[in-house]
Amino acid sequence: GEDVEQSLFLSVREGDSSVINCTYTDSSSTYLYWYKQEPGAGLQLLTYIFSNMDMKQDQRLTVLLNKKDKHLSLRIADTQTGDSAIYFCAESMERTGANNLFFGTGTRLTVIP
Amino acid sequence: SAVISQKPSRDICQRGTSLTIQCQVDSQVTMMFWYRQQPGQSLTLIATANQGSEATYESGFVIDKFPISRPNLTFSTLTVSNMSPEDSSIYLCSVVGGERVQYFGPGTRLTVT
Repeated sequence: GEDVEQSLFLSVREGDSSVINCTYTDSSSTYLYWYKQEPGAGLQLLTYIFSNMDMKQDQRLTVLLNKKDKHLSLRIADTQTGDSAIYFCAESMERTGANNLFFGTGTRLTVIP
Repeated sequence: SAVISQKPSRDICQRGTSLTIQCQVDSQVTMMFWYRQQPGQSLTLIATANQGSEATYESGFVIDKFPISRPNLTFSTLTVSNMSPEDSSIYLCSVVGGERVQYFGPGTRLTVT
């Protein structure tokens, strides 16, 4: 089945790196995503990775995918107070139609000035 | 990426009434979806809005409660019917853009009293 898990909370100091982790259970995942949700706002797509990749970097963001362990992480370098938000990982699977996303519970990142 | 707008951004409604939420995209898209995010929860797919045919609903969601229209490739509506306090949620529409990546609208925050 589709089960995406994340830790609920993470606190880091401004300027440090943040690492948000996600585990999933379905090995047929095709795409894995990271979305950011600020208070009272919708979801902003941060980055995504295809399941045949193991790393993707985009400015301050680095995504690592370990398919063997079904583990996805998002590293935010030089974390700023504006990075405080809830971060959702999501997976899509070919067998359910790649457009059906299954979301994790979300990790609330708090950046301490 | 697609630019998506939703109306209204928020509303407070009385039990037993209905609310129609609009979703407008700035370009033609084939795939459009409606999600619900209950307070403090992750996102759950309600249905796929199909242009020219009935929406496809996920388990636990029915057309009588959440009728959906998709008159063209840039617009869709979701109606929340006969509302109860349990319907208080954020409702988000999403579309599939390039590389089959899903983008979300800003959401409609509904409170039912």
